[in-house]
Amino acid sequence: GENVEQHPSTLSVQEGDSAVIKCTYSDSASNYFPWYKQELGKRPQLIIDIRSNVGEKKDQRIAVTLNKTAKHFSLHITETQPEDSAVYFCAASIRATNKLIFGTGTLLAVQP
Amino acid sequence: DAGITQSPRYKITETGRQVTLMCHQTWSHSYMFWYRQDLGHGLRLIYYSAAADITDKGEVPDGYVVSRSKTENFPLTLESATRSQTSVYFCASSESGWASGGSEQYFGPGTRLTVT
Repeated sequence: GENVEQHPSTLSVQEGDSAVIKCTYSDSASNYFPWYKQELGKRPQLIIDIRSNVGEKKDQRIAVTLNKTAKHFSLHITETQPEDSAVYFCAASIRATNKLIFGTGTLLAVQP
Repeated sequence: DAGITQSPRYKITETGRQVTLMCHQTWSHSYMFWYRQDLGHGLRLIYYSAAADITDKGEVPDGYVVSRSKTENFPLTLESATRSQTSVYFCASSESGWASGGSEQYFGPGTRLTVT
């Protein structure tokens, strides 16, 4: 069945450094790839998304890249701050359905 | 975010009991979803609904029942709760589905369910 793999499961960086989280997906028909941030005890919130007709998207310190040939996409956070500490989830749409399949999450810790 | 609410926020129940988790959204979004979140598994889709009276299974539907008689409500029922259903349950909604290009999915605050 469809699958999304996310790496690493934990990531610790120093404040000001960059963080990169990578995901691979199995469904070649996936066309929508959102990233969610979840702080401890809170709900997931969308931080950025990308569609299959775009290779890269940026929003201030956050960027997402998509390689459809290799079926992987990545989240890049530059100049990390302590408030970036959270669990990050990638997701991919499943074919032409309205379903998302999520990765297992990455716990990002930004050390001050 | 205040537009999608869940109740109760916390629930403790016993094995074998029926439990209903409520979800209500005020945006008139067409699509609604139920996920469960467990450590090591991320978010897994239980059921989703494209409109009132239209529902479909997700990845892990066994042991759950949903209904959607009104656009704004999407209750999730555990017919006979088991310990393996101890989890955090999130409801979500979106304006359109990904087949038509996709849109942001808004999550409710979650319900922490413990089955003893």
